[in-house]
Amino acid sequence: GEDVEQSLFLSVREGDSSVINCTYTDSSSTYLYWYKQEPGAGLQLLTYIFSNMDMKQDQRLTVLLNKKDKHLSLRIADTQTGDSAIYFCAESGNNAGNMLTFGGGTRLMVKP
Amino acid sequence: EPEVTQTPSHQVTQMGQEVILRCVPISNHLYFYWYRQILGQKVEFLVSFYNNEISEKSEIFDDQFSVERPDGSNFTLKIRSTKLEDSAMYFCASSVVGGETQYFGPGTRLLVL
Repeated sequence: GEDVEQSLFLSVREGDSSVINCTYTDSSSTYLYWYKQEPGAGLQLLTYIFSNMDMKQDQRLTVLLNKKDKHLSLRIADTQTGDSAIYFCAESGNNAGNMLTFGGGTRLMVKP
Repeated sequence: EPEVTQTPSHQVTQMGQEVILRCVPISNHLYFYWYRQILGQKVEFLVSFYNNEISEKSEIFDDQFSVERPDGSNFTLKIRSTKLEDSAMYFCASSVVGGETQYFGPGTRLLVL
């Protein structure tokens, strides 16, 4: 079945850029998403990219998609301590039920 | 801003008991979903629901599970006879149409003793 993989952990200093990476296997993915989960909270949609796009920018967030390598990244510019959370990559394949397949999440720690 | 809500936020139950988890999707959304996240594991798809019927379900969604939209606003997940391994965070989500962005609720943390 489809699989989505992410590195477990990333630590950056406040003010630096963070880059969180994700790889996926489903070549029929239509949308790819980034969700943020703060401790004890639900999944907050951060941004998404349609599979025919290479890049999407939304304020401090930049999403890059390399469809050939099935690689997705999320760059957070000027990372703040409030960005500390778990970031989940997810993809929706070409299936009738529109299920999302999630990666395991990357825990971002931002040091002051 | 409209959001998906879920109740209760936490539920503790004894093994073998039935539980019903409730969700109120965003009002103009037509597709509804349940996912679960066992502690330390990935978020896993359970079921999607559209037009009063199940669109797709995963292997996890066996006969112990059922979903229902009992009225115009609620969407429920019932676990008929809970097992220890059903302990997880259960997330409800909704989307305007299928294949579009899914918005998640805050989750219900279920603990089966």
